[in-house]
Amino acid sequence: EVQLLESGGGLVQPGGSLRLSCAASGFTFYSYAMGWVRQAPGKGLEWVSLITGAGGNRYYADSVKGRFTISRDNSKNTLYLEMDSLRAEDTATYFCAKGDNGATMAVVVLWGQGTLVTVSS
Amino acid sequence: SYVLTQPPSVSVAPGQTARVTCGGNNIGTKNVQWYQQRPGQAPILVVYNNNDRPSGIPERFSGSNSGNTATLTITRVEAGDEADYCCQVWDSRSHVVFGGGTKLTVL
Repeated sequence: EVQLLESGGGLVQPGGSLRLSCAASGFTFYSYAMGWVRQAPGKGLEWVSLITGAGGNRYYADSVKGRFTISRDNSKNTLYLEMDSLRAEDTATYFCAKGDNGATMAVVVLWGQGTLVTVSS
Repeated sequence: SYVLTQPPSVSVAPGQTARVTCGGNNIGTKNVQWYQQRPGQAPILVVYNNNDRPSGIPERFSGSNSGNTATLTITRVEAGDEADYCCQVWDSRSHVVFGGGTKLTVL
């Protein structure tokens, strides 16, 4: 079965760090760009970051640039998001997302169920 | 950065046709995707490349895109179609861009 399973969410204090993981199965992981999309409570979807299939190119939304780092381990079929200097406005459900090709996420063909990150003191 | 604008809500009676719009500057030159998201669930892709449907999505779902507006059309609306619908494009500078989402209410 093709699926994405996120983990690593939780409660963290402002200024703290958190690492999200996304385990992929059922498809050739290294062939697809992967990314993260978040959704604040009661709000719409916001793209966060993406990484190309081979991992050579990484892109970030302006709101997280310099604080978040996306990476992948193609030997483990796993995507990561390292989040530093967290702010209250980073509170959201973070979805792992699969693109439709190795270079872009022009179409998000598959979504994980999401993991909740809450930034609060 | 590229911006997509959607109405916050659309209401329709069962059996009727719902239209959800997505506005953007020359959006007709881009490929538009539409996602359905039910409360508490992850989004699912219902239309891609303006008017293609993934396998398993009913023919009642279709899309169009021209000028500055893309439209998701749902014919013969059912109670189960009640959800948030969000448009999305790929922009070479902004990368993945989502609209603000539209809540579809089935009366």
